[in-house]
Amino acid sequence: SAVISQKPSRDICQRGTSLTIQCQVDSQVTMMFWYRQQPGQSLTLIATANQGSEATYESGFVIDKFPISRPNLTFSTLTVSNMSPEDSSIYLCSVDLQGSTGELFFGEGSRLTVL
Amino acid sequence: GENVEQHPSTLSVQEGDSAVIKCTYSDSASNYFPWYKQELGKGPQLIIDIRSNVGEKKDQRIAVTLNKTAKHFSLHITETQPEDSAVYFCAASRGGFKTIFGAGTRLFVKA
Repeated sequence: SAVISQKPSRDICQRGTSLTIQCQVDSQVTMMFWYRQQPGQSLTLIATANQGSEATYESGFVIDKFPISRPNLTFSTLTVSNMSPEDSSIYLCSVDLQGSTGELFFGEGSRLTVL
Repeated sequence: GENVEQHPSTLSVQEGDSAVIKCTYSDSASNYFPWYKQELGKGPQLIIDIRSNVGEKKDQRIAVTLNKTAKHFSLHITETQPEDSAVYFCAASRGGFKTIFGAGTRLFVKA
């Protein structure tokens, strides 16, 4: 397994502002993923972040709204830009420790509330 | 597109009884089927998984079965305990390519 630390764990934000979520892993991983979990809902993949290349976004998610950085093999950030109340969700960082096995390990999540 | 359906959405059982959660997937190329448990305020945790070359896998009180022909897979929890209360998600993927999650099942185990 892996220790995946996310910051902040929760935050309350004002409409129109942006917030950056950090994800730190205690081992080097190739594939990192960012998921969104809206209240009471399932997990939806926002993007895949691989070191050394631009993030790959899923349908319905765009780089201008959710810019992602992946400066090295243990760290990534997700920014939620120009937030609206609809962005209130849990944002989860996830890694596949062994490359592309599909076995995902998740951080504890960052719970954002946008007023 | 690819889809994973999960039932029931809510399940309430008495402590000691068994609980069964069922999922159906649409992508016939899926070959990896994990199950995650999410407790309140925490991230999902992988509890058991099965690959397409296996029909059944068991780990203590939990087991998973897979029917590739019908594209069904199920989670079975025996001798349920209050600490089993959580939200359970099934998922399907082609190896590490885009894991699709089910909608989740909220399991309540009554003491």
